Amino acid sequence: NAGVMQNPRHLVRRRGQEARLRCSPMKGHSHVYWYRQLPEEGLKFMVYLQKENIIDESGMPKERFSAEFPKEGPSILRIQQVVRGDSAAYFCASSPPGRDPRSGYTFGSGTRLTVV
Amino acid sequence: GDSVTQMEGPVTLSEEAFLTINCTYTATGYPSLFWYVQYPGEGLQLLLKATKADDKGSNKGFEATYRKETTSFHLEKGSVQVSDSAVYFCALSDGGSQGNLIFGKGTKLSVKP
Repeated sequence: NAGVMQNPRHLVRRRGQEARLRCSPMKGHSHVYWYRQLPEEGLKFMVYLQKENIIDESGMPKERFSAEFPKEGPSILRIQQVVRGDSAAYFCASSPPGRDPRSGYTFGSGTRLTVV
Repeated sequence: GDSVTQMEGPVTLSEEAFLTINCTYTATGYPSLFWYVQYPGEGLQLLLKATKADDKGSNKGFEATYRKETTSFHLEKGSVQVSDSAVYFCALSDGGSQGNLIFGKGTKLSVKP
């Protein structure tokens, strides 16, 4: 019974390149959340998705960042034209349908993005 | 807006010492409260939670009580082990239906043998 799977674990990109981060939720979970952890900071909410729908993207930067959760396959967080300030750990979490998300959810191990 | 404030670390203790990590919050409405733990190089694991006033969450010897009158959710453990060394995050749900979590900055705990 695999947990939330994120890949890659570590990703290095040069400034101006694109970064694609993948998240496969736990089996049976259809709600996905993305959070960003900057160095020495707590996690900050970015976006909440259900299959084929963005429910809340109030934490997403207005430019260069996008997220999707297609009907088939993992959720993708995409960062275009990366800059050094995008260096952070990006965590994905999931929860099942029908459960109050306020009861908490399961996090993956994260992708650590380094922009050089 | 809603916020969480944790005591700053790092906290260094000897094995079997008593642990308290303070957490206070500001929120409109009635949030759920959580403690998450992050071991080195890993993701966050839910340690315990409380969903209403006076609830006590507990797990692995850790406890925290939801105190509405003092808006606090302090984490305690009577006797820490070296394996408890990690970063501990206090968090609240924002009270809306989306369940987005608001985290404190984290407190790093190091336990020495």
